[in-house]
Amino acid sequence: GENVEQHPSTLSVQEGDSAVIKCTYSDSASNYFPWYKQELGKRPQLIIDIRSNVGEKKDQRIAVTLNKTAKHFSLHITETQPEDSAVYFCAATNSNSGYALNFGKGTSLLVTP
Amino acid sequence: DVKVTQSSRYLVKRTGEKVFLECVQDMDHENMFWYRQDPGLGLRLIYFSYDVKMKEKGDIPEGYSVSREKKERFSLILESASTNQTSMYLCASRPFRTLLTGELFFGEGSRLTVL
Repeated sequence: GENVEQHPSTLSVQEGDSAVIKCTYSDSASNYFPWYKQELGKRPQLIIDIRSNVGEKKDQRIAVTLNKTAKHFSLHITETQPEDSAVYFCAATNSNSGYALNFGKGTSLLVTP
Repeated sequence: DVKVTQSSRYLVKRTGEKVFLECVQDMDHENMFWYRQDPGLGLRLIYFSYDVKMKEKGDIPEGYSVSREKKERFSLILESASTNQTSMYLCASRPFRTLLTGELFFGEGSRLTVL
């Protein structure tokens, strides 16, 4: 399938600092880019998403930016808290698979007090 | 709240056994998906279905089949389980109106161990 590359695979920050996770995609027809958070032992849950006609979206401490020309998008978490510790997945729609979502490999974020 | 229910949270099967993983959603969603999740590999799409009786292969369909006889139910079948199919299996659904975009709702997952 179309690739979604995600970096870094692990990220450790101090409480209060910012965290940034970056993803690139290869399908030029991708038009939807969600971010999911998965806490240990739980299901992935959507935290924010962005559509291809928008460059940036913000929801409280979380923001996502999209650069369609460069085919990359990023998740920004400000003022991190210990409860932000989880695995985060980026995803992009795959036009070759009926616009199912292709996921990155995940970033394990640890926020230390 | 959308509810996606996977019938078994934990299964242990032997090599060569036939395995059924069941998924039911209660929100009349047309689209349903099966992913497998492995450490360091993220979520990989096995099969998906956009409506009853319809099924499409995802990125890793080998060794799997699916059944969508009713709109609310999407089953993943391992005809002859092998040890490399030991994994966490996640079912997800979304409404058709968000075909090109839109949130996936995931089940709790089924952790399968094949001995």
